[in-house]
Amino acid sequence: AQTVTQSQPEMSVQEAETVTLSCTYDTSESDYYLFWYKQPPSRQMILVIRQEAYKQQNATENRFSVNFQKAAKSFSLKISDSQLGDAAMYFCAYRSNTGKLIFGQGTTLQVKP
Amino acid sequence: SQTIHQWPATLVQPVGSPLSLECTVEGTSNPNLYWYRQAAGRGLQLLFYSVGIGQISSEVPQNLSASRPQDRQFILSSKKLLLSDSGFYLCAWSMGGPTDTQYFGPGTRLTVL
Repeated sequence: AQTVTQSQPEMSVQEAETVTLSCTYDTSESDYYLFWYKQPPSRQMILVIRQEAYKQQNATENRFSVNFQKAAKSFSLKISDSQLGDAAMYFCAYRSNTGKLIFGQGTTLQVKP
Repeated sequence: SQTIHQWPATLVQPVGSPLSLECTVEGTSNPNLYWYRQAAGRGLQLLFYSVGIGQISSEVPQNLSASRPQDRQFILSSKKLLLSDSGFYLCAWSMGGPTDTQYFGPGTRLTVL
């Protein structure tokens, strides 16, 4: 069975600085998708970024980018120029060929002014 | 564009009472629909998913059930709530296919007393 691990329960970053959130996963599948979701205090899950495993190029969405290392089964999220509105809980998720999403336990990001 | 609604937003129910949470999606046809539960400060656990009207798959055996009476309506129910049913319930939709991505509703906070 696939598993997703986020080893950082909490992280903090100074406003305008860069922070990286870690995620590792375990799978025997070769084709899959990885996601980062953001959950602000409102608790609605918001899609941040998506990565297809067959693509070597790392996905980027404005200030958000990933470092996808398929061999290492690592999928970290980098937030550049951090803003106060980035404060939230971030979840890494794995989607298998069956379509089911498997989530990590989340990382709470604090942004300091 | 597609939107997803959930209601109620919050609910406080006594132990042993029935439950009905509703999720509806607008702007798309024949979506895949999902129910998740999130305990405080934890990741999401998939409860049920549906790929079509009347088609429900259960991931976790418990005293909850799900139904899909219409194409874009997904209902989570219980005949008798337990204390352990307290949590945050999220509905999600996706269109399936190779690039399947799940999008979440605003959630329902359920407290069972």
